[in-house]
Amino acid sequence: LAKTTQPISMDSYEGQEVNITCSHNNIATNDYITWYQQFPSQGPRFIIQGYKTKVTNEVASLFIPADRKSSTLSLPRVSLSDTAVYYCLVGSRNSGNTPLVFGKGTRLSVIA
Amino acid sequence: GAGVSQSPSNKVTEKGKDVELRCDPISGHTALYWYRQSLGQGLEFLIYFQGNSAPDKSGLPSDRFSAERTGGSVSTLTIQRTQQEDSAVYLCASSLARRTNQPQHFGDGTRLSIL
Repeated sequence: LAKTTQPISMDSYEGQEVNITCSHNNIATNDYITWYQQFPSQGPRFIIQGYKTKVTNEVASLFIPADRKSSTLSLPRVSLSDTAVYYCLVGSRNSGNTPLVFGKGTRLSVIA
Repeated sequence: GAGVSQSPSNKVTEKGKDVELRCDPISGHTALYWYRQSLGQGLEFLIYFQGNSAPDKSGLPSDRFSAERTGGSVSTLTIQRTQQEDSAVYLCASSLARRTNQPQHFGDGTRLSIL
């Protein structure tokens, strides 16, 4: 699996847009990019997934440049409840039994 | 519908005892995963089940750890002769299919404390 690198932590004030960038220089042709969110004392929760360009849902947007060597999770107008750890994962659609590898993620702290 | 259910939510036991952790996946999900998460750390993959195929046990840290999945549904993770370093949150997830880009749905974990 392609290795991912993301900042260990980020701070933001309420109401701001937060962008978390993940580097995945060795991403393969068949790899998708998936982001999860984890609140304290809970399991991770799927946020968004994409392959290229831009994907948007009710929670976030995912921007993927043409070379796909990085991706940016964008959270619009964060609130205190967005304080969580965010994980970026890269995995193949057709890799069979390969599990997803979670790194340490990015710990986002939203401040009032 | 119901999500992934794990039990117990908390377990405290003495060093050397055996423990069993249970995971009830989402109905219809053929893939089931176990992870371990130590305090402030990321998730560590332990084992993966896909349908009737042989499980991928490559993440199990020692032979004290084992898991089974009966009838393609409920799974049990067993830790024998527990050690203090086994203290962690054990998370279970399930997904629709074998393909790894199918999002995983997680339970809230079992917090295991070894005294």
